[in-house]
Amino acid sequence: SQQGEEDPQALSIQEGENATMNCSYKTSINNLQWYRQNSGRGLVHLILIRSNEREKHSGRLRVTLDTSKKSSSLLITASRAADTASYFCATNYGGSQGNLIFGKGTKLSVKP
Amino acid sequence: DAGITQSPRHKVTETGTPVTLRCHQTENHRYMYWYRQDPGHGLRLIHYSYGVKDTDKGEVSDGYSVSRSKTEDFLLTLESATSSQTSVYFCAISVGLTGVNQPQHFGDGTRLSIL
Repeated sequence: SQQGEEDPQALSIQEGENATMNCSYKTSINNLQWYRQNSGRGLVHLILIRSNEREKHSGRLRVTLDTSKKSSSLLITASRAADTASYFCATNYGGSQGNLIFGKGTKLSVKP
Repeated sequence: DAGITQSPRHKVTETGTPVTLRCHQTENHRYMYWYRQDPGHGLRLIHYSYGVKDTDKGEVSDGYSVSRSKTEDFLLTLESATSSQTSVYFCAISVGLTGVNQPQHFGDGTRLSIL
């Protein structure tokens, strides 16, 4: 499997703190995407970063991509209780017609 | 909201019975996907479609078939359900002509239990 791997598997922080999640993958990619999943719901797309990009921002989210290390990180600044969810990275690799390979996810708990 | 509806949302059935899950989209996107989500495995691609009657296998396609006779509907069938197919099934769509470099939008899932 070419599955990405997130690290850590679980993360517990206080409201207001920053949360950092990491993702490693195994093969060259077209892009890497981050998704959030609230309990009992479908995945929600957060950010897509292409292989020729190094950093991308969206509101309180910052994603970096290091293709030489085959890794990415998602930073959530000033976390809120509503950020409590599971976060998944997914890679789209060459010739895959947009198919994604998902990691197993990081479970984030933000305590008020 | 990408206008994706999955049905049923919950189903309990017995081993050996056929099961069909439906994914319906309202925006006529070309690419549609079926995933299963299991503890410890994340999401894994079962089958995908890139147009009417155009489908292909994903990572875990054994025991599953799909059909797409209309742009808006993508059906996933378990011909003879087994307990190992107990899972949460998600449908997704991708905006754009190629699906590459596009985010996917997910339905809320179908929780399937096979006893």
